[in-house]
Amino acid sequence: SQQGEEDPQALSIQEGENATMNCSYKTSINNLQWYRQNSGRGLVHLILIRSNEREKHSGRLRVTLDTSKKSSSLLITASRAADTASYFCATDAGIQETSGSRLTFGEGTQLTVNP
Amino acid sequence: DTGVSQDPRHKITKRGQNVTFRCDPISEHNRLYWYRQTLGQGPEFLTYFQNEAQLEKSRLLSDRFSAERPKGSFSTLEIQRTEQGDSAMYLCASSLRHEGYTFGSGTRLTVV
Repeated sequence: SQQGEEDPQALSIQEGENATMNCSYKTSINNLQWYRQNSGRGLVHLILIRSNEREKHSGRLRVTLDTSKKSSSLLITASRAADTASYFCATDAGIQETSGSRLTFGEGTQLTVNP
Repeated sequence: DTGVSQDPRHKITKRGQNVTFRCDPISEHNRLYWYRQTLGQGPEFLTYFQNEAQLEKSRLLSDRFSAERPKGSFSTLEIQRTEQGDSAMYLCASSLRHEGYTFGSGTRLTVV
């Protein structure tokens, strides 16, 4: 079963606009990760935020984490057509020494960036 | 070592046949994972190895499924007596302790 729920399920924007995707989860976590998947391909790791972090940046990506609300958001600024993909959040709820034993993925947000 | 390799990329098999997939992780990664993904869904965890030890198995992994990681290097996932419901993308990933996963491109299985 999926722990995470992404919102929205699909998002269509114009090149240059910002895209925001949200993720909610149900249990306590060790960290939360975001992945991108182009159609029919494997997933690419984008960013990892630990449970004691509130915000993290990587290039045009900004991730926030609110453990009190059990939610996270991924912001892609100045979007490009090449950002078109499915985006998944995944939670790692393992205890510290076994962290990484499994990730629980949401169902993803399909982002389309129109040129 | 440029990433996680999976073989084959595509497999079409008849219902009832056995299939085996191979995954070669990044060499210094001690953790290896198998996930299954169906269309429009996120990946679902199947099993996890740390070195050669299989530490966790999902209830999704019925007795028709078996995974091995001899010598803690490459891994194989075998599905016996395939069913149409086994049609999916099978993804392998590896990681080093608390880092994010590196996924392979997957093996797409179609059972006809």
